[in-house]
Order: sequence, then structure tokens, then C-alpha cells
Amino acid sequence: DGGITQSPKYLFRKEGQNVTLSCEQNLNHDAMYWYRQDPGQGLRLIYYSQIVNDFQKGDIAEGYSVSREKKESFPLTVTSAQKNPTAFYLCAAGGGTEAFFGQGTRLTVV
Amino acid sequence: AQSVTQLDSHVSVSEGTPVLLRCNYSSSYSPSLFWYVQHPNKGLQLLLKYTSAATLVKGINGFEAEFKKSETSFHLTKPSAHMSDAAEYFCVVSVMNRDDKIIFGKGTRLHILP
Repeated sequence: DGGITQSPKYLFRKEGQNVTLSCEQNLNHDAMYWYRQDPGQGLRLIYYSQIVNDFQKGDIAEGYSVSREKKESFPLTVTSAQKNPTAFYLCAAGGGTEAFFGQGTRLTVV
Repeated sequence: AQSVTQLDSHVSVSEGTPVLLRCNYSSSYSPSLFWYVQHPNKGLQLLLKYTSAATLVKGINGFEAEFKKSETSFHLTKPSAHMSDAAEYFCVVSVMNRDDKIIFGKGTRLHILP
């Protein structure tokens, strides 16, 4: 069954710790994306990658890092430099006529 | 580069009355346009998409949208609102070129009044 898998669904971390969110796809899409959702602000683009070993900053990349070592995987690290990391994070793949989304990870930093 | 603007952050309609959620886009290339719905604490669900075929697109749950190139619009409509339609709706634009990105509007929260 093709799709995007984000794990975990809920994640809790202490302030000052880095945390990595997983995103895996078996759709064979070159392009993958990470978005952050906050109430009243829609989904804002953090990072995107159009090909393996290459990625670009989106609108709110500060405090985040990514890697794209293989086509299927696009993990997002929320670093301690991110001032307000508590949010809902959504991974996507596709582009052009197709767009697929994971179920999201809700990160809470306490 | 492409962008998308949802003109209303909140829309309230009475149950049984028509729904109109407005979306305008800009794109240097022929876009694909999508409408997604998100219910509280749920993921995104695709309502419908336009991919350069018919300009009037029918989706799930009675929703439809019309692509109007001259107005750069892709408004979402439904003839009769139901209480279960209360949710957040996102208009999304995507293009197929080297700088391919999927861009979201800021969302419109639809409230259904009894």
C-alpha cells in the first residue's frame, strides 16, 4: 500500500534537546517536503528536497535541519535553536499533479 | 514562483445554505490546484484537484470547484452545508518545473450554524 509514513504520531521532548522526526515514502517521488502548522497560520514550508542529496530552505528553516540520503527518507531535526518548537509537523511528497501527505507528528516541548 | 491566497480566514454559514470558500493563486506555469480538509486533530483529506482537464471539478461530500484562469481563482463551493462540514480547508497549488513546490494557503475555518 503506497503512502507516506510519519512517526511517531505524538512526541514529547524536554526543552533544549534536539529531536528527529521521521518521514518515509514508498511512492517513488523525487520531491519531499516538511511543513509546520500552527493555529491560524496554515502550513508553512520548512524545507524541501527535489532530489537525493539536495535540499532547499523553505520559509521558516531557522532552527531546523534535514538530510536526504536516500529517495525514500527525509528526516527533520528540530534543534535546540528553534525557539518555539511545539507544533504539528507534516511531511509530503509529490508535486505537479500529485501531492501526498503523512498523518503528521505533533511535537510538544516541555 | 507560485503562491496561493485564501481570502477568508473564517466563514460561517447556516446548515442547509450554500458554502463558498475563496482561493486565488499565482503561478508562472500551469498549476495543479487542490482543496484539502482537516478536521480537528486529524490529518489532511483530499477533497478534489484540478490538473488541466475539466475546469469544473467535482469532489467528495458534494464539494466542487471551478478553475478560472482569467480570474486566477479556484473557489470551493457546496450547495448545502452540513454540520459535519465544519473544519479547516486548505487551498494548495503545485507546479511541475525545476523549482517544484507544494504551497498551502493559510486556511479557512468553516463554521456551520444550526
